[in-house]
Amino acid sequence: DADVTQTPRNRITKTGKRIMLECSQTKGHDRMYWYRQDPGLGLRLIYYSFDVKDINKGEISDGYSVSRQAQAKFSLSLESAIPNQTALYFCATSAGTGEASGNTIYFGEGSWLTVV
Amino acid sequence: AQTVTQSQPEMSVQEAETVTLSCTYDTSENNYYLFWYKQPPSRQMILVIRQEAYKQQNATENRFSVNFQKAAKSFSLKISDSQLGDTAMYFCATSREYGNKLVFGAGTILRVKS
Repeated sequence: DADVTQTPRNRITKTGKRIMLECSQTKGHDRMYWYRQDPGLGLRLIYYSFDVKDINKGEISDGYSVSRQAQAKFSLSLESAIPNQTALYFCATSAGTGEASGNTIYFGEGSWLTVV
Repeated sequence: AQTVTQSQPEMSVQEAETVTLSCTYDTSENNYYLFWYKQPPSRQMILVIRQEAYKQQNATENRFSVNFQKAAKSFSLKISDSQLGDTAMYFCATSREYGNKLVFGAGTILRVKS
């Protein structure tokens, strides 16, 4: 089983609808992230959370919101989806910083969202 | 702000040959980490190799090695004895020492031909 699980894996939704992407992890990591992948642009950070009470905007947070329900759960919401939010979304986790963790981020399997 | 540039949108290599993927970056940090991630058609993001900027020795993981040139802010990935399973998109990325937020390049599509 994957250590970082995203649901749904694929979703088609209509413009203006609210959609939530969920992420859960069994790695015991404190830090969680949401990234968006677009062709030719690599991955860009949407939001990140370093613990349950900590939420921070990333590079492209407009049009998105997040909720950190527990250490292991971090969800991403599109309150009113628009077509240019069609993308591949990744949840990721990390233990923290320093030599022990190697600053390594572990990714989920991705959620492909299409907004029509 | 950190930026990462991958100047090769696509590359191809014959099976068993060696290929090098280029990456340059810009950062004002003194200490930082560099990474190469692989994304096969399954779209999973897989860590290939990482390098701590304060370490002069180039990182190596089996057939994968890097050429880290700190002064030139260059971090290339060499794949030796290329295999069909190496076909994927490869992303170069960097993060600050005290923060895990990765900044990615646009990626290089590598196709290994039989």
